[in-house]
Amino acid sequence: RKEVEQDPGPFNVPEGATVAFNCTYSNSASQSFFWYRQDCRKEPKLLMSVYSSGNEDGRFTAQLNRASQYISLLIRDSKLSDSATYLCVVNFANAGGTSYGKLTFGQGTILTVHP
Amino acid sequence: EAQVTQNPRYLITVTGKKLTVTCSQNMNHEYMSWYRQDPGLGLRQIYYSMNVEVTDKGDVPEGYKVSRKEKRNFPLILESPSPNQTSLYFCASSSTGLKGTGELFFGEGSRLTVL
Repeated sequence: RKEVEQDPGPFNVPEGATVAFNCTYSNSASQSFFWYRQDCRKEPKLLMSVYSSGNEDGRFTAQLNRASQYISLLIRDSKLSDSATYLCVVNFANAGGTSYGKLTFGQGTILTVHP
Repeated sequence: EAQVTQNPRYLITVTGKKLTVTCSQNMNHEYMSWYRQDPGLGLRQIYYSMNVEVTDKGDVPEGYKVSRKEKRNFPLILESPSPNQTSLYFCASSSTGLKGTGELFFGEGSRLTVL
C-alpha cells in the first residue's frame, strides 16, 4: 500500500460545480497535512494547510479525519482557473512522534473545469 | 524577490557523465529538499536537509548525492547518470523545517534527459 494515495482522476466538471478530492495516508503518526496545486509544467504551490478542526479559505475547504486517516479538499463554485493537479502532502513523524523532514506526496488528482 | 533558483533548467546528457544541478534560495530557510517527478509516480523525495551540514535520505536517494555547506545552497549531484534518472527535478525550501505550517517554496524545475 502506498503511504499517500489519491484518486488520479481526471475529474472533468462544469463551471460552478462542487468537487471533492480525498487522500488517504498509511502512517497514523503523521504530523502535518497540506494541499498543493500544480499547473501544467510548473512548480507546485501551497494551496492550504489542513488542520484538525478543518479550515476554509474562500471557495476551498480542507478536512482531516485522523480516525480514518484521510484528508479531503472541497472546491465550491469551480472556476476555469481551478483546472490543475492537486497534490496531497503528508509530513510523517518519526518513531518518537516528532516531526522531521520527510515529506510524502500523493500522485496528484487532475481537475479540469470546462465552460 | 524571494525565490528558489535551479540551474540548469534543461539538460540533455549521456550515461556516466557526472553532472550537478544547483539550487539556491534567498529566504534564509533552514530546510531544503530535492524531488523528482515522473508520470504516474508523482513527486518523490530524493534527499533533504534540515540545516547546514545535515542531510538525510528521502524515498529515492540511490544514484544521487547532496551537500549542504552553506545555508542558501543545496546542489544535487549525479555522479554517473543513467537513463532511469531522466526526470523533472524540483528543489524546495522552507523556513519552519516542517515543524509549523511547513510551506514549501519550489524552484521552477530542471528537466534532465540522460541518453
